[in-house]
Amino acid sequence: TQLLEQSPQFLSIQEGENLTVYCNSSSVFSSLQWYRQEPGEGPVLLVTVVTGGEVKKLKRLTFQFGDARKDSSLHITAAQPGDTGLYLCAGIFGNEKLTFGTGTRLTIIP
Amino acid sequence: KAGVTQTPRYLIKTRGQQVTLSCSPISGHRSVSWYQQTPGQGLQFLFEYFSETQRNKGNFPGRFSGRQFSNSRSEMNVSTLELGDSALYLCASSLWTFSNQPQHFGDGTRLSIL
Repeated sequence: TQLLEQSPQFLSIQEGENLTVYCNSSSVFSSLQWYRQEPGEGPVLLVTVVTGGEVKKLKRLTFQFGDARKDSSLHITAAQPGDTGLYLCAGIFGNEKLTFGTGTRLTIIP
Repeated sequence: KAGVTQTPRYLIKTRGQQVTLSCSPISGHRSVSWYQQTPGQGLQFLFEYFSETQRNKGNFPGRFSGRQFSNSRSEMNVSTLELGDSALYLCASSLWTFSNQPQHFGDGTRLSIL
């Protein structure tokens, strides 16, 4: 069974600060997706990364896929209250089942 | 473009009963996946249907079953409900089966077992 560990589990920071959350696995992903989920709603896809070492930017969010395709990070610059939510990474392994990480619950304090 | 629609949004059942949840995917999407989300276990994959066939299945007991109709709409059934089945059940649709396809989620059905 493939496991995706996310860290930290909870993060609470002031508006304007920077932060990084991590997603790690002992197995190689064929691809990895990042989602954000707000209370009472389903997860919404932010990005998909496929190639080892790939970096993608979405406004103030920067996503990086590890060279060995076993880990990924999400960096947020100048966090805003609208960034508050549950951040989930999800990896596709050889069996093509989408496996979700344990999640990072982010709170941005105005 | 309408998103993924799940009905009902909330449901209260008692132990031993059965329940059916419904999911209408985005128009044109042929793959529908179901997930269970709980505070303790997070988001766990239940099964995926593509062109009316179950393509993938997670590690859940046989009490959890599903089906997909010719219009891609899907239903999930849970029989002999247990307290531990209380969860948010999410449905997601995509154009094609997994393989890097972005999953479009509905807002879920919150099932509470008394």
